Amino acid sequence: TQLLEQSPQFLSIQEGENLTVYCNSSSVFSSLQWYRQEPGEGPVLLVTVVTGGEVKKLKRLTFQFGDARKDSSLHITAAQPGDTGLYLCAGDRDSNYQLIWGAGTKLIIKP
Amino acid sequence: GAGVSQSPSNKVTEKGKDVELRCDPISGHTALYWYRQSLGQGLEFLIYFQGNSAPDKSGLPSDRFSAERTGGSVSTLTIQRTQQEDSAVYLCASSYYLGAKGSPLHFGNGTRLTVT
Repeated sequence: TQLLEQSPQFLSIQEGENLTVYCNSSSVFSSLQWYRQEPGEGPVLLVTVVTGGEVKKLKRLTFQFGDARKDSSLHITAAQPGDTGLYLCAGDRDSNYQLIWGAGTKLIIKP
Repeated sequence: GAGVSQSPSNKVTEKGKDVELRCDPISGHTALYWYRQSLGQGLEFLIYFQGNSAPDKSGLPSDRFSAERTGGSVSTLTIQRTQQEDSAVYLCASSYYLGAKGSPLHFGNGTRLTVT
């Protein structure tokens, strides 16, 4: 059972375009994290969102946590080749210490 | 250390052999996690440690898998009698304490295991 659904699974776009990646669940999370992973490396934390409705910005990346804390989105403005990577969302339910991971969105930005 | 260190970075082994994967967490991090990742896929949780204790081993795929942590620091993941389906990247992560909200995970670069 995939408790966190990420979409799309794969996205290939041209440099300069905008995109949105989604992370959806029927479960409530106390927090949600977004990671980016490049080939041959481990995931690196981008942001943690905690409050329902919260919006966080990291340069051209905008992260939003749903009001009900069941879903999140990542929006990239004017994508650049350096944004290429596997984007993973992970939810924390506090009830145990395991993060619930999405399957990831593989993003390719073509120059 | 500056980050989570895993060794070896690559391991090729014959089916049926035992392998030992090592993880050196960030100094002072009390929580340590092992994950498995198939090519380009999401993360499969294996086990976590709080100090030297692993309260829940149910994520380990089979009884051929075991893990230990000593001195609240280095951890080893051992796979006995390796099978081809064990081929994957094994990632280790550490965090200052359990519970991700205020204590994000820091990952190593993984060990790529290939069973031939």
